[in-house]
Amino acid sequence: GEDVEQSLFLSVREGDSSVINCTYTDSSSTYLYWYKQEPGAGLQLLTYIFSNMDMKQDQRLTVLLNKKDKHLSLRIADTQTGDSAIYFCADTYNQGGKLIFGQGTELSVKP
Amino acid sequence: EAQVTQNPRYLITVTGKKLTVTCSQNMNHEYMSWYRQDPGLGLRQIYYSMNVEVTDKGDVPEGYKVSRKEKRNFPLILESPSPNQTSLYFCASSGDGYEQYFGPGTRLTVT
Repeated sequence: GEDVEQSLFLSVREGDSSVINCTYTDSSSTYLYWYKQEPGAGLQLLTYIFSNMDMKQDQRLTVLLNKKDKHLSLRIADTQTGDSAIYFCADTYNQGGKLIFGQGTELSVKP
Repeated sequence: EAQVTQNPRYLITVTGKKLTVTCSQNMNHEYMSWYRQDPGLGLRQIYYSMNVEVTDKGDVPEGYKVSRKEKRNFPLILESPSPNQTSLYFCASSGDGYEQYFGPGTRLTVT
């Protein structure tokens, strides 16, 4: 079946850039998403990229998509302690409302 | 305010005692889904619905039931809960089958 993989942990210093990586297997992906989950909270949609785009920038967030390698990344510039959370990459399986999630990457930002 | 609501937010129950987790959305969305979140596994889809009276199994449907009698509501039913259903549950809705809005989550403990 379709699969999405992420590394589980990332630790950075405040002010540095964070890069969270994700790989997926579905060659027919339409949208790919990044969700943020703060402790004890639900999932917040951070950004998404359509499959015919290579890059999308939204303030401190940059999403890069390499369709050939099926690789997606989220770069957070000037990472702040408030960015500490779990970040999930998700792939749209079909238009039936199904998302395939990665395991989540726990980002820890040290002052 | 557009939102997805779930109740209860926290539930502790015993093995075998039937329970229902309610989910409601006020965005007139056609697509609704239930996910469970477990450490190291990300979110996995339990069931989804593409419209009233149309439901289908996700990746981990065993031990769960759903119904979609009205567009706004999509309850999750555990007829005979077991400890391996201890998890964090999220309901989500979508208007276009792609972008999903998540509820705040229900933390279920089955002893």
